[in-house]
Amino acid sequence: DGGITQSPKYLFRKEGQNVTLSCEQNLNHDAMYWYRQDPGQGLRLIYYSQIVNDFQKGDIAEGYSVSREKKESFPLTVTSAQKNPTAFYLCASSVTSGNTIYFGEGSWLTVV
Amino acid sequence: DQQVKQNSPSLSVQEGRISILNCDYTNSMFDYFLWYKKYPAEGPTFLISISSIKDKNEDGRFTVFLNKSAKHLSLHIVPSQPGDSAVYFCAARAYQAGTALIFGKGTTLSVSS
Repeated sequence: DGGITQSPKYLFRKEGQNVTLSCEQNLNHDAMYWYRQDPGQGLRLIYYSQIVNDFQKGDIAEGYSVSREKKESFPLTVTSAQKNPTAFYLCASSVTSGNTIYFGEGSWLTVV
Repeated sequence: DQQVKQNSPSLSVQEGRISILNCDYTNSMFDYFLWYKKYPAEGPTFLISISSIKDKNEDGRFTVFLNKSAKHLSLHIVPSQPGDSAVYFCAARAYQAGTALIFGKGTTLSVSS
């Protein structure tokens, strides 16, 4: 089945640690995205990538880093510099940037 | 400065009635608008979209209306069903900017039977 796979679904992190959320897609989409959802805040864009080896910051990129070494993969690292990392993280992809995007199932990150 | 605004955080409707979810935008460069539906702890799913060259798009029980002069779009669900209870996000894109979709904060729809 084609789709977007995020892992892990639930992740607990101690303060001061970096964690990486995985996102893989087999839809042959060029563009990939990371959004964050907080209660009452909607979906806010962290980073997006229009093509392999290229990515752009979104509205709330501080404290996050990404890489796009393969078309299928767009991992997100939540660094210790992110002041409020507890949230629901959503990876998405689209044929090209700006078109209809399709989301993965999301990953819950909790800082303990 | 929100570019996509969903001013109603919640909406309650009875089963069988019409649900109308509203969305306003400020960026006149937006040329494509979408609605997504989201259940708790799941990723949003695409519902329906509309290009700025149209004023209406229909797909089964879902119809999206676009009023460019008012910078307003709405999603109509007729008839509403309990399974429609979810958070609905409005999203927009400015194609020339080549950027990602911009989302509103969402409206929680509750359909009671």
